[in-house]
Amino acid sequence: AQKVTQAQTEISVVEKEDVTLDCVYETRDTTYYLFWYKQPPSGELVFLIRRNSFDEQNEISGRYSWNFQKSTSSFNFTITASQVVDSAVYFCALSASGGYQKVTFGIGTKLQVIP
Amino acid sequence: DAGVIQSPRHEVTEMGQEVTLRCKPISGHDYLFWYRQTMMRGLELLIYFNNNVPIDDSGMPEDRFSAKMPNASFSTLKIQPSEPRDSAVYFCASSLYVYEQYFGPGTRLTVT
Repeated sequence: AQKVTQAQTEISVVEKEDVTLDCVYETRDTTYYLFWYKQPPSGELVFLIRRNSFDEQNEISGRYSWNFQKSTSSFNFTITASQVVDSAVYFCALSASGGYQKVTFGIGTKLQVIP
Repeated sequence: DAGVIQSPRHEVTEMGQEVTLRCKPISGHDYLFWYRQTMMRGLELLIYFNNNVPIDDSGMPEDRFSAKMPNASFSTLKIQPSEPRDSAVYFCASSLYVYEQYFGPGTRLTVT
């Protein structure tokens, strides 16, 4: 069975602080994909990034960076110099194919950036 | 591409009425998902389809809920009869293979 754990339910930071959102996953599949999604207060769910299990390179996109470590089954998300517009719920998700797609979302981490 | 399209965006109905939510996935995507999101239960996967075939409906809360996908470009989620506890935001999403899902804007359902 697959599992995604986002232990931080809510985080508050002051604008311009860096913040890391944690994601720990469990799966028996050797090939799988990890994702982060953002859900701002307006409600839509927006895809941010996909990583596959064979690519442990960290990725940076502007103020966003992701750290994937298979050894600890973690896929953490860091926002550098946070801004008020980063306030949202962030979901980590795991997808694998065992014939059909198996997809599991974490419960989400609510990030509040205070001006 | 227009993205995933859902209709209606808002639905207010009375208890006992039938509700039908509609979804048009992104062209070429072979998976379609229906989710429900509430404050209490978070994001729940209700059912998903692969190539129009229902694969896993274990998340459907009860027999009052049904979903169909008659073709690759259309799916419906029906609740009959509706109850106040069904009030939630219902999302449809589609994906290609096991890659990222693209979500529609959601339908906010209120059952009074």
